[in-house]
Amino acid sequence: NAGVTQTPKFQVLKTGQSMTLQCAQDMNHNSMYWYRQDPGMGLRLIYYSASEGTTDKGEVPNGYNVSRLNKREFSLRLESAAPSQTSVYFCASSELGTPNEQFFGPGTRLTVL
Amino acid sequence: QKEVEQNSGPLSVPEGAIASLNCTYSDRGSQSFFWYRQYSGKSPELIMFIYSNGDKEDGRFTAQLNKASQYVSLLIRDSQPSDSATYLCAVGGIKAAGNKLTFGGGTRVLVKP
Repeated sequence: NAGVTQTPKFQVLKTGQSMTLQCAQDMNHNSMYWYRQDPGMGLRLIYYSASEGTTDKGEVPNGYNVSRLNKREFSLRLESAAPSQTSVYFCASSELGTPNEQFFGPGTRLTVL
Repeated sequence: QKEVEQNSGPLSVPEGAIASLNCTYSDRGSQSFFWYRQYSGKSPELIMFIYSNGDKEDGRFTAQLNKASQYVSLLIRDSQPSDSATYLCAVGGIKAAGNKLTFGGGTRVLVKP
């Protein structure tokens, strides 16, 4: 039981390049989330998927797109990376209802030059 | 105004003492409250959750919730050097909000031997 997995662990991009961050969970959770974490800013929600087939914007969605591929997988795409997107990205999952604690993946450290 | 506020610290605590962390939130409709611990370079991990006013104890940790005053706190008794980490407060709303959590910026705790 791996929990929440993310790939890649590290990535360096040049401004304007695109990439997709992958996330998968094996806990049969309905809801999945993408966060970014910047120093002193805590975790900020980018996009989330309350259940398979639905996605919604979070607090900071600009410059990102998501795909809920199936119940297990939720990907985050940067179409044209910018230095302001340099951050650590975490994927999380949770079950519907209460308690709705979220379980986090190990994170992807992204640098955009 | 940020919805979930925490003192960024660092909170310096002697080994064996009690560490007291506070968190205030702005949304009176909030229903679920979580404390996560995050070691440097790692992902957040859940310590405790609390839903009802009052205290909830789990080992050396006690969460306290006061909905009237809109604050939640975490006490760490008999603090150990291994408790040195950043502690994130997270607040959740109703189920219809997609199980979203709003995180505070975190409080860094440093336990000195």
